[in-house]
Amino acid sequence: GAVVSQHPSWVICKSGTSVKIECRSLDFQATTMFWYRQFPKQSLMLMATSNEGSKATYEQGVEKDKFLINHASLTLSTLTVTSAHPEDSSFYICSARDMAAGGETEAFFGQGTRLTVV
Amino acid sequence: AQSVTQLGSHVSVSEGALVLLRCNYSSSVPPYLFWYVQYPNQGLQLLLKYTTGATLVKGINGFEAEFKKSETSFHLTKPSAHMSDAAEYFCAVSVGGGYNKLIFGAGTRLAVHP
Repeated sequence: GAVVSQHPSWVICKSGTSVKIECRSLDFQATTMFWYRQFPKQSLMLMATSNEGSKATYEQGVEKDKFLINHASLTLSTLTVTSAHPEDSSFYICSARDMAAGGETEAFFGQGTRLTVV
Repeated sequence: AQSVTQLGSHVSVSEGALVLLRCNYSSSVPPYLFWYVQYPNQGLQLLLKYTTGATLVKGINGFEAEFKKSETSFHLTKPSAHMSDAAEYFCAVSVGGGYNKLIFGAGTRLAVHP
């Protein structure tokens, strides 16, 4: 159980276009999802926290108009990179928390999405 | 504020040797601590976690870690390294305690040679 799936696993897009990344909790309901970004050979940096049905909370320095997050259901959150540029090329990873177990539960990670902007 | 420091960005061991990956944390509240492993171009897999209770926690693949409050450390160990252990390892602390968003260390790349 507790599987989080991201789609696509990798994507190449042209500069100026927008890209949508999906994060799904396959076998549990996730009230909270986290989006992280990882540059090559670096650690993960939290971009934003999304709660189902409400606006995402962005970390300092993350442009909310550039990185649009939607958490419309208990099993799906999307990250849209708008007007992508080469500097947005990175590995994006989501994680989701299982609410069904009751109380506090850990978050599970998706397999990540490698975005390359050319 | 919470923070995590991983000492050593690269660690190299021989197959069969002890693995020791160091992690020190800073937290103003009782921390929840985690170790994750990441293989190339993949997401994160949880190795083990400390929340409350027993300070020595055992995880998957033979790894274990000990929470030492006095030293603010949570070092990861494995008695005998396998070639398949070669990967990137991240230590993390949850912000504000509990299961919350995570602050990650910079990561340690473990190489295992024959």
